[in-house]
Amino acid sequence: AQSVTQPDIHITVSEGASLELRCNYSYGATPYLFWYVQSPGQGLQLLLKYFSGDTLVQGIKGFEAEFKRSQSSFNLRKPSVHWSDAAEYFCAVGGTASKLTFGTGTRLQVTL
Amino acid sequence: SQTIHQWPATLVQPVGSPLSLECTVEGTSNPNLYWYRQAAGRGLQLLFYSVGIGQISSEVPQNLSASRPQDRQFILSSKKLLLSDSGFYLCAWSREGLSYGYTFGSGTRLTVV
Repeated sequence: AQSVTQPDIHITVSEGASLELRCNYSYGATPYLFWYVQSPGQGLQLLLKYFSGDTLVQGIKGFEAEFKRSQSSFNLRKPSVHWSDAAEYFCAVGGTASKLTFGTGTRLQVTL
Repeated sequence: SQTIHQWPATLVQPVGSPLSLECTVEGTSNPNLYWYRQAAGRGLQLLFYSVGIGQISSEVPQNLSASRPQDRQFILSSKKLLLSDSGFYLCAWSREGLSYGYTFGSGTRLTVV
């Protein structure tokens, strides 16, 4: 069965600082991996995805993520965080059955 | 372009009352459709998914049911709501396979009182 772990429930960073959100997955083959962002009371917006090719993927809003098969990780990064990045971030893994399994999310707070 | 509509945005219902949440997709055909529930601190739990009209798969036993009466319409229902049904419900669609991921609706906040 596929699963996702986001070990950090809540992270606080200063505006302008770098950000890394951790994601570890469990899946038997090469997975489809996604990062989504959710603002309060809203649906989820896709930031980026990986399913093959270059292991460093670029997404919207200046985010990037790196797939590391040896570590079963897909960490999300941003070089300089903006106050508007405050939100909840979800990592998700999927396979051939077209079903995504989501992590429990990491809430990002940005201090000015 | 494809769009997904979900309504209502908020709903307050008494215990024991029925429920009907609707989700429609425009601009595509034969989408895969999903209902998720989001509870605080618990991430997203897949409730139902559908790969075609009348084809519903349930992921967890619960007080809810789903139906897909038309290709781009997905309905979440309950005959009698429980307090534990409160939460944020999200509908999503995808093409066959996961190359494009899911596109989510804006969600329904359900409070059972």
